[in-house]
This record gives sequence, structure tokens and C-alpha cells, in this order.
Amino acid sequence: NAGVTQTPKFQVLKTGQSMTLQCAQDMNHNSMYWYRQDPGMGLRLIYYSASEGTTDKGEVPNGYNVSRLNKREFSLRLESAAPSQTSVYFCASRRVGGETQYFGPGTRLLVL
Amino acid sequence: AQTVTQSQPEMSVQEAETVTLSCTYDTSESDYYLFWYKQPPSRQMILVIRQEAYKQQNATENRFSVNFQKAAKSFSLKISDSQLGDAAMYFCAYRTTGANSKLTFGKGITLSVRP
Repeated sequence: NAGVTQTPKFQVLKTGQSMTLQCAQDMNHNSMYWYRQDPGMGLRLIYYSASEGTTDKGEVPNGYNVSRLNKREFSLRLESAAPSQTSVYFCASRRVGGETQYFGPGTRLLVL
Repeated sequence: AQTVTQSQPEMSVQEAETVTLSCTYDTSESDYYLFWYKQPPSRQMILVIRQEAYKQQNATENRFSVNFQKAAKSFSLKISDSQLGDAAMYFCAYRTTGANSKLTFGKGITLSVRP
């Protein structure tokens, strides 16, 4: 089992460019999550998907869109990147009834 | 809304000594879960320990144990026999029960271990 995987590991964007962060899990989990981590702020939820076909906003959704492509994959899209979106992005998943979220290794994004 | 507070941004401990990391939370729920996650320099989020609120017994995992005080809404992590590999950022997190529940994180504490 690879667990939760994320691509890319690191990306540099210019302001206004778009990109999609990919996340996949092979644990047959229903719920998937996207977080961003900024210094001194902990992890904040951007979007989540409780099950295939559903998505909901988290604490900081502005400037992002998500797609739950299938049960395995949950992507995060930045349509027009801004320097304020410079952050480390984490994907996570959890099975139905499970207590614990499992995290991917993170994507470091730098927007110039 | 639930909030999780980690008031100490940094702590330091001597190798082989014991250290306690503090966490408080605010909720009106009676049943929920609490977690401590470790984030080493690799950035990987690693679950250290979890506690179910309905269990009165404090959770333990090897050198890691918690002091869960439900009435005081306090959830501290004790690390015994500290090792150099324990140096990391530690996050306290809270989650209600239910299919749509989400984790709420504290801001984290950076733990350094002195050799």
C-alpha cells in the first residue's frame, strides 16, 4: 500500500498561472481532504469530500476548486495563483467510521 | 465552532528527560476524538496518539501518553525518555464523531531535544 500520494512534491508558479495538485489514496477510503499549512497557523481545511460525488467547503476555500474524480482521487485546482497561496498543501483520507485521517507527504507551492 | 489552542509555540527538553506539551480545546459536544500528530522536518504528518472522549482511561503508546481532562477540556501529551528523533513540530487536533466531521488543528508547538 502506498497510502496517500501527492504530486507534484514542489512547484513554482507565477502570479496568475493555474495548476492542479493531484492526490490519490489506495486504502479504499470514502472521505478525502485538502489542507494548507502556513507558518504559525497550523493546518487549515480548504475543501473536503465526504464520499465520491460530493465536495464541501472548509475553512479557507477562496481561490480554490476541487474535483473528486473517483473514489481514489481528489484534486485541488488553483485557477489564478496568487502569492497568498504560497503554502504547503496536504491531502488526507479517512475510511467510513474510522477515527484517524492519514496524510500524504505534502506539496510545497511557491507563487511568485 | 470548535477551537484548539496550543499556547506554547516552542519547548525544549534534555535527552532522556520527560516533557509535557499542552493543548486545550473548546466544544459543546460530549463525544469526540482528540489527536496528537508529529511533523518532523520531512513534513510528513504522523499520528502519535488518539483519545476517544467517552473513554476515561488515558491513551498510551510506548513513551507517549496523554492526560485527558474532559471537564477542563485539556489534552496534554507527555513524552518520556525523550530521544533526539522526537524533535519535531507537534499538533493537537480535535474531531467530532459523524461521517462529515472534520479535523480542527491547533497552531502547533516546536519541540527541540538537547543532546
